[in-house]
Amino acid sequence: DIQMTQSPSSLSASVGDGVTITCQASQDIRNFVNWYQQKPGKAPKLLIYDASKLETGVPSRFSGSGSETHFALTINSLQPEDIATYYCQQYATLPTFGPGTIVDIK
Amino acid sequence: QVQLVQSGAEVKNPGSSVKVSCKASGGTFSSYTFSWVRQAPGHGLEWMGKIIPIFDIANYAQKFQGRLTINADKSTTTAYMELNSLRSEDTAVYYCARTRRGMTDIFGPWGQGTLVTVSS
Repeated sequence: DIQMTQSPSSLSASVGDGVTITCQASQDIRNFVNWYQQKPGKAPKLLIYDASKLETGVPSRFSGSGSETHFALTINSLQPEDIATYYCQQYATLPTFGPGTIVDIK
Repeated sequence: QVQLVQSGAEVKNPGSSVKVSCKASGGTFSSYTFSWVRQAPGHGLEWMGKIIPIFDIANYAQKFQGRLTINADKSTTTAYMELNSLRSEDTAVYYCARTRRGMTDIFGPWGQGTLVTVSS
């Protein structure tokens, strides 16, 4: 199985700050990475697919980058509604998720 | 508008089985694959397996091989997940998720989740 790690495990930032979450794969997965946002008690929501493509309807302050083994999700100007846990997921092989990053407002 | 509606919460005894359904509406059922992802209380997301309805083929995470069955009924556009030999560690919310496009494992629409509690 391909292992996905994320850092940090949690972060706290102020409204308007830029925030970056990183995800590392245990082997080269090209650009086969997606990012999801999950709010408490809700199903995950797709934000970014194929490492850098913004899902329809997702605010443009979200962006994704990276390839091979290193990937990042950036929130440009954090908003109160962005409080959530964020997960990366690879699909180069049978899918696996990263452990998640909790984002909170300072 | 695509919608995935799952069956209701279940309480099961250890050693028993649970079967959860996921009814899909909108879109062409056989054009996509349906995965099951679970989330134990306070934990992250864990992919369990998927069904490819057009081929009637299922793939499973190694952890669940032999204990998990995923299938689909194309006539009712419903996917099913059955987990056997339940133990307390299987207590979780179980989600179904459909691929965003074709059979590429990008999970677009998700069901609302089904809480399965395993307790004696």
